[in-house]
Amino acid sequence: IAGITQAPTSQILAAGRRMTLRCTQDMRHNAMYWYRQDLGLGLRLIHYSNTAGTTGKGEVPDGYSVSRANTDDFPLTLASAVPSQTSVYFCASSVGPGNTIYFGEGSWLTVV
Amino acid sequence: AQSVAQPEDQVNVAEGNPLTVKCTYSVSGNPYLFWYVQYPNRGLQFLLKYITGDNLVKGSYGFEAEFNKSQTSFHLKKPSALVSDSALYFCAVRDDNYGQNFVFGPGTRLSVLP
Repeated sequence: IAGITQAPTSQILAAGRRMTLRCTQDMRHNAMYWYRQDLGLGLRLIHYSNTAGTTGKGEVPDGYSVSRANTDDFPLTLASAVPSQTSVYFCASSVGPGNTIYFGEGSWLTVV
Repeated sequence: AQSVAQPEDQVNVAEGNPLTVKCTYSVSGNPYLFWYVQYPNRGLQFLLKYITGDNLVKGSYGFEAEFNKSQTSFHLKKPSALVSDSALYFCAVRDDNYGQNFVFGPGTRLSVLP
């Protein structure tokens, strides 16, 4: 089934380590997003990309970086993980900026 | 800036009864409104959206939502709840005066009791 694939599904990571969450979509959507979901805080936008080659900062970008080398892939990197980055991370995409957003299944990250 | 509120953390309803999950929003421009559902350990699934036109929007799984501009609300409804509807529901808004980014509400947990 076409959609968004995230990897890893879950990960326990030591603080200070570098980690890249992978995201691939096969819907040829132009826009892609990374959200984190935390209890009581809902979903917060980390970074977004309106089209390949461009990226932008969302609501909570500190400690994270992204790249968009092509249409399909949108990896999220934690350069030096901290416990406050323990969260569920969702990659998402839409046909274009502002269109309906479709989500991946999530990556559960625990930083210890 | 846009914002969205879901005033109820939890909604309990008996199977077969109608359900309502409330959402209110604040925007400066025209609102684009969305409902998503999240089942345990899964990603969010799109249910329905209001962009323009008819105030009553029908979506997946028998859900519908009514856009009320005067009350700035977009409540999610279903005439007859199923136990399988138990999940976390998110309302989201995009303000066309503030670009393409969505703002999500905190979520409402719906429990349908058999």
